[in-house]
Amino acid sequence: QKEVEQDPGPLSVPEGAIVSLNCTYSNSAFQYFMWYRQYSRKGPELLMYTYSSGNKEDGRFTAQVDKSSKYISLFIRDSQPSDSATYLCAMIPTSGSRLTFGEGTQLTVNP
Amino acid sequence: GAGVSQSPRYKVTKRGQDVALRCDPISGHVSLYWYRQALGQGPEFLTYFNYEAQQDKSGLPNDRFSAERPEGSISTLTIQRTEQRDSAMYRCASSLGGLAGYEQYFGPGTRLTVT
Repeated sequence: QKEVEQDPGPLSVPEGAIVSLNCTYSNSAFQYFMWYRQYSRKGPELLMYTYSSGNKEDGRFTAQVDKSSKYISLFIRDSQPSDSATYLCAMIPTSGSRLTFGEGTQLTVNP
Repeated sequence: GAGVSQSPRYKVTKRGQDVALRCDPISGHVSLYWYRQALGQGPEFLTYFNYEAQQDKSGLPNDRFSAERPEGSISTLTIQRTEQRDSAMYRCASSLGGLAGYEQYFGPGTRLTVT
């Protein structure tokens, strides 16, 4: 079993929809939770991070972490075609150590 | 400012040859990471450095893979006697380290194809 599980999709939504992306994990030592966005043929780009449990909002993006359920989410409001990309969750037990990634969810937002 | 750069961007080599992949981190970043990403998968950790010291090499698949960062800046990932299964995107990332070490910035990657 993988340490981090993520539904690979693909996920296709109309423009303006609310998108929910999720990951589950098994290692209770994870403390930092990141979401990366990866456009085709590009490197992963850090979108947001959350330390421990709780919510964090940045513009149209909200990240949630529920450590008791070992479940993290990324919500995208008012989705735009430019949001079309692969979204990767990643986790780390302590700052500076190795990232463990999910396999990524491919999202397409249709105009 | 300049991001993480990697060279070459594409490398095609014959089975059995050695290859060296280079990573130039963001200026001032003390931590440098190597990952490998298969198509349709998330990056998988290989090794990382703080300054010139290799902190963790547990992700290197076997002893054909090695990495160095002799002056604490540029790093080289070397694969000896390449095999077709080594074909993948190799990505480098860097961070400020310490309490900011969770914030890793990725380079564009080197696409390695072993024929």
